[in-house]
Amino acid sequence: DAKTTQPTSMDCAEGRAANLPCNHSTISGNEYVYWYRQIHSQGPQYIIHGLKNNETNEMASLIITEDRKSSTLILPHATLRDTAVYYCIVTYGNKLVFGAGTILRVKS
Amino acid sequence: EPEVTQTPSHQVTQMGQEVILRCVPISNHLYFYWYRQILGQKVEFLVSFYNNEISEKSEIFDDQFSVERPDGSNFTLKIRSTKLEDSAMYFCASSPLTNTEAFFGQGTRLTVV
Repeated sequence: DAKTTQPTSMDCAEGRAANLPCNHSTISGNEYVYWYRQIHSQGPQYIIHGLKNNETNEMASLIITEDRKSSTLILPHATLRDTAVYYCIVTYGNKLVFGAGTILRVKS
Repeated sequence: EPEVTQTPSHQVTQMGQEVILRCVPISNHLYFYWYRQILGQKVEFLVSFYNNEISEKSEIFDDQFSVERPDGSNFTLKIRSTKLEDSAMYFCASSPLTNTEAFFGQGTRLTVV
Protein backbone atom coordinates (compact mmCIF):
# COMPACT_ATOMS: atom_id res chain seq x y z
CA ASP A 1 0.00 0.00 0.00
CA ALA A 2 1.19 3.50 -0.84
CA LYS A 3 2.47 5.58 2.02
CA THR A 4 0.73 8.83 2.84
CA THR A 5 2.04 11.98 4.47
CA GLN A 6 -0.23 14.27 6.47
CA PRO A 7 0.44 17.24 8.74
CA THR A 8 0.46 16.31 12.40
CA SER A 9 -2.14 18.87 13.38
CA MET A 10 -4.23 21.75 12.08
CA ASP A 11 -6.54 24.34 13.56
CA CYS A 12 -9.69 25.68 11.96
CA ALA A 13 -12.18 28.32 13.02
CA GLU A 14 -15.74 27.18 13.49
CA GLY A 15 -17.86 27.87 10.42
CA ARG A 16 -14.87 28.09 8.11
CA ALA A 17 -13.77 25.48 5.60
CA ALA A 18 -11.20 22.96 6.81
CA ASN A 19 -8.76 21.86 4.13
CA LEU A 20 -6.75 18.79 5.06
CA PRO A 21 -3.90 17.88 2.70
CA CYS A 22 -2.43 14.46 2.00
CA ASN A 23 0.56 13.48 -0.08
CA HIS A 24 0.65 10.04 -1.70
CA SER A 25 3.32 10.34 -4.36
CA THR A 26 3.82 6.57 -4.72
CA ILE A 27 0.16 5.77 -5.37
CA SER A 28 -0.50 3.03 -7.92
CA GLY A 29 -2.95 3.34 -10.76
CA ASN A 30 -5.61 1.14 -9.16
CA GLU A 31 -5.34 2.44 -5.59
CA TYR A 32 -8.15 4.45 -4.08
CA VAL A 33 -7.81 7.41 -1.73
CA TYR A 34 -9.92 7.05 1.43
CA TRP A 35 -10.56 9.46 4.26
CA TYR A 36 -11.70 8.35 7.69
CA ARG A 37 -11.85 10.17 10.99
CA GLN A 38 -11.77 9.09 14.62
CA ILE A 39 -13.36 11.12 17.38
CA HIS A 40 -11.78 10.39 20.78
CA SER A 41 -11.51 6.59 20.96
CA GLN A 42 -14.62 5.86 18.96
CA GLY A 43 -14.56 3.60 15.93
CA PRO A 44 -13.17 5.18 12.75
CA GLN A 45 -15.84 6.82 10.65
CA TYR A 46 -15.80 6.72 6.87
CA ILE A 47 -15.91 10.14 5.22
CA ILE A 48 -15.30 9.80 1.50
CA HIS A 49 -13.18 8.03 -1.09
CA GLY A 50 -12.19 8.40 -4.73
CA LEU A 51 -10.03 6.99 -7.49
CA LYS A 52 -9.35 9.79 -9.97
CA ASN A 53 -12.24 12.21 -9.99
CA ASN A 54 -13.16 14.72 -7.36
CA GLU A 55 -15.94 13.49 -5.10
CA THR A 56 -18.53 15.18 -2.90
CA ASN A 57 -21.01 13.82 -0.39
CA GLU A 58 -23.01 15.23 2.48
CA MET A 59 -19.99 15.31 4.76
CA ALA A 60 -17.11 16.52 2.64
CA SER A 61 -15.43 17.00 -0.72
CA LEU A 62 -12.34 15.19 -1.95
CA ILE A 63 -10.06 16.90 -4.42
CA ILE A 64 -7.48 14.65 -6.11
CA THR A 65 -4.76 16.24 -8.22
CA GLU A 66 -4.51 15.22 -11.85
CA ASP A 67 -1.32 13.23 -11.27
CA ARG A 68 -3.00 11.63 -8.21
CA LYS A 69 0.05 12.29 -6.06
CA SER A 70 -1.86 14.36 -3.54
CA SER A 71 -5.37 15.08 -2.37
CA THR A 72 -7.29 17.47 -0.13
CA LEU A 73 -10.24 16.75 2.08
CA ILE A 74 -12.54 19.73 2.46
CA LEU A 75 -15.04 20.09 5.28
CA PRO A 76 -17.02 23.08 3.98
CA HIS A 77 -18.30 24.49 7.28
CA ALA A 78 -16.40 23.00 10.17
CA THR A 79 -18.16 22.65 13.52
CA LEU A 80 -16.81 21.84 16.97
CA ARG A 81 -18.01 18.28 16.45
CA ASP A 82 -15.57 17.90 13.56
CA THR A 83 -12.64 17.98 15.99
CA ALA A 84 -11.04 14.57 15.40
CA VAL A 85 -8.08 12.71 13.94
CA TYR A 86 -8.38 12.52 10.15
CA TYR A 87 -6.76 9.67 8.29
CA CYS A 88 -5.84 9.64 4.61
CA ILE A 89 -5.42 6.04 3.42
CA VAL A 90 -4.41 4.81 0.00
CA THR A 91 -5.22 1.22 -0.82
CA TYR A 92 -6.56 -1.28 -3.28
CA GLY A 93 -8.84 -3.89 -1.79
CA ASN A 94 -10.29 -3.73 1.66
CA LYS A 95 -7.38 -3.65 4.07
CA LEU A 96 -6.97 -0.21 5.64
CA VAL A 97 -3.53 0.79 6.90
CA PHE A 98 -3.91 3.69 9.31
CA GLY A 99 -1.13 6.18 9.88
CA ALA A 100 -0.96 8.80 12.59
CA GLY A 101 -3.36 11.10 10.73
CA THR A 102 -3.97 14.82 11.21
CA ILE A 103 -5.42 16.11 14.46
CA LEU A 104 -7.95 18.74 13.43
CA ARG A 105 -8.98 21.15 16.16
CA VAL A 106 -12.01 23.29 15.38
CA LYS A 107 -12.10 26.36 17.59
CA SER A 108 -14.93 28.77 18.35
CA GLU B 1 -29.31 3.86 9.83
CA PRO B 2 -27.73 0.39 9.95
CA GLU B 3 -24.69 0.06 12.16
CA VAL B 4 -22.08 -2.44 13.29
CA THR B 5 -22.72 -3.54 16.85
CA GLN B 6 -20.05 -4.82 19.21
CA THR B 7 -20.43 -6.49 22.57
CA PRO B 8 -19.35 -6.13 25.28
CA SER B 9 -18.21 -2.50 25.33
CA HIS B 10 -15.63 -3.30 27.99
CA GLN B 11 -14.20 -6.64 29.07
CA VAL B 12 -11.71 -7.34 31.80
CA THR B 13 -9.99 -10.70 31.76
CA GLN B 14 -7.14 -12.40 33.57
CA MET B 15 -3.94 -13.16 31.73
CA GLY B 16 -4.05 -16.62 30.18
CA GLN B 17 -7.82 -16.70 29.90
CA GLU B 18 -9.72 -17.08 26.63
CA VAL B 19 -11.85 -14.19 25.49
CA ILE B 20 -14.43 -13.88 22.72
CA LEU B 21 -15.33 -10.51 21.29
CA ARG B 22 -18.59 -10.34 19.44
CA CYS B 23 -19.76 -8.28 16.49
CA VAL B 24 -22.92 -8.04 14.44
CA PRO B 25 -21.98 -6.58 11.06
CA ILE B 26 -24.44 -4.75 8.82
CA SER B 27 -26.78 -7.38 7.43
CA ASN B 28 -26.12 -7.28 3.68
CA HIS B 29 -22.37 -6.78 3.96
CA LEU B 30 -19.99 -9.41 2.64
CA TYR B 31 -16.60 -8.38 4.02
CA PHE B 32 -15.73 -8.38 7.70
CA TYR B 33 -12.69 -7.16 9.60
CA TRP B 34 -11.09 -6.83 12.97
CA TYR B 35 -8.76 -3.98 13.90
CA ARG B 36 -7.22 -3.05 17.20
CA GLN B 37 -5.85 0.11 18.76
CA ILE B 38 -3.54 0.03 21.72
CA LEU B 39 -4.01 3.14 23.85
CA GLY B 40 -2.25 6.10 22.28
CA GLN B 41 -1.20 4.17 19.19
CA LYS B 42 -2.39 3.73 15.61
CA VAL B 43 -5.33 1.62 14.49
CA GLU B 44 -3.89 -1.72 13.33
CA PHE B 45 -5.39 -4.21 10.89
CA LEU B 46 -5.77 -7.74 12.25
CA VAL B 47 -7.78 -9.79 9.79
CA SER B 48 -10.27 -9.69 6.95
CA PHE B 49 -12.92 -12.34 6.30
CA TYR B 50 -14.90 -13.07 3.16
CA ASN B 51 -16.93 -16.00 1.96
CA ASN B 52 -16.45 -17.82 5.26
CA GLU B 53 -12.71 -17.74 5.22
CA ILE B 54 -9.84 -15.46 6.13
CA SER B 55 -8.80 -13.42 3.10
CA GLU B 56 -5.91 -11.57 4.70
CA LYS B 57 -4.27 -11.36 8.11
CA SER B 58 -1.51 -9.32 9.68
CA GLU B 59 1.56 -10.46 11.60
CA ILE B 60 -0.29 -9.63 14.81
CA PHE B 61 -2.93 -12.26 14.02
CA ASP B 62 -0.97 -15.29 15.21
CA ASP B 63 -2.14 -18.72 16.36
CA GLN B 64 -3.63 -17.22 19.50
CA PHE B 65 -6.26 -15.45 17.41
CA SER B 66 -9.15 -16.92 15.47
CA VAL B 67 -12.29 -15.58 13.81
CA GLU B 68 -15.61 -17.19 13.12
CA ARG B 69 -18.95 -16.37 11.59
CA PRO B 70 -20.96 -19.03 13.37
CA ASP B 71 -24.51 -18.25 12.36
CA GLY B 72 -24.64 -15.86 9.42
CA SER B 73 -25.10 -12.79 11.57
CA ASN B 74 -22.41 -12.75 14.24
CA PHE B 75 -18.69 -12.34 13.64
CA THR B 76 -16.41 -13.21 16.52
CA LEU B 77 -12.77 -12.74 17.44
CA LYS B 78 -11.32 -15.25 19.89
CA ILE B 79 -8.07 -14.81 21.74
CA ARG B 80 -7.08 -18.17 23.17
CA SER B 81 -4.70 -17.22 25.93
CA THR B 82 -4.66 -13.51 26.60
CA LYS B 83 -1.47 -11.59 27.34
CA LEU B 84 -1.07 -8.22 28.98
CA GLU B 85 -0.10 -6.75 25.61
CA ASP B 86 -3.47 -7.77 24.14
CA SER B 87 -5.03 -4.94 26.13
CA ALA B 88 -6.47 -2.64 23.48
CA MET B 89 -9.60 -1.36 21.83
CA TYR B 90 -10.84 -3.90 19.30
CA PHE B 91 -12.90 -2.65 16.38
CA CYS B 92 -15.07 -4.75 14.11
CA ALA B 93 -15.92 -3.43 10.65
CA SER B 94 -17.86 -4.54 7.62
CA SER B 95 -18.24 -3.45 4.02
CA PRO B 96 -20.71 -4.41 1.29
CA LEU B 97 -18.22 -4.84 -1.53
CA THR B 98 -14.54 -4.57 -2.22
CA ASN B 99 -13.06 -1.08 -2.70
CA THR B 100 -15.92 0.57 -0.83
CA GLU B 101 -16.37 2.17 2.54
CA ALA B 102 -16.00 0.16 5.73
CA PHE B 103 -18.33 0.76 8.65
CA PHE B 104 -16.80 0.40 12.08
CA GLY B 105 -18.38 -0.53 15.37
CA GLN B 106 -17.81 1.44 18.54
CA GLY B 107 -15.28 -1.06 19.80
CA THR B 108 -14.68 -3.38 22.73
CA ARG B 109 -12.13 -2.23 25.25
CA LEU B 110 -10.23 -5.32 26.38
CA THR B 111 -8.23 -5.04 29.57
CA VAL B 112 -5.98 -7.97 30.48
CA VAL B 113 -4.87 -8.00 34.12
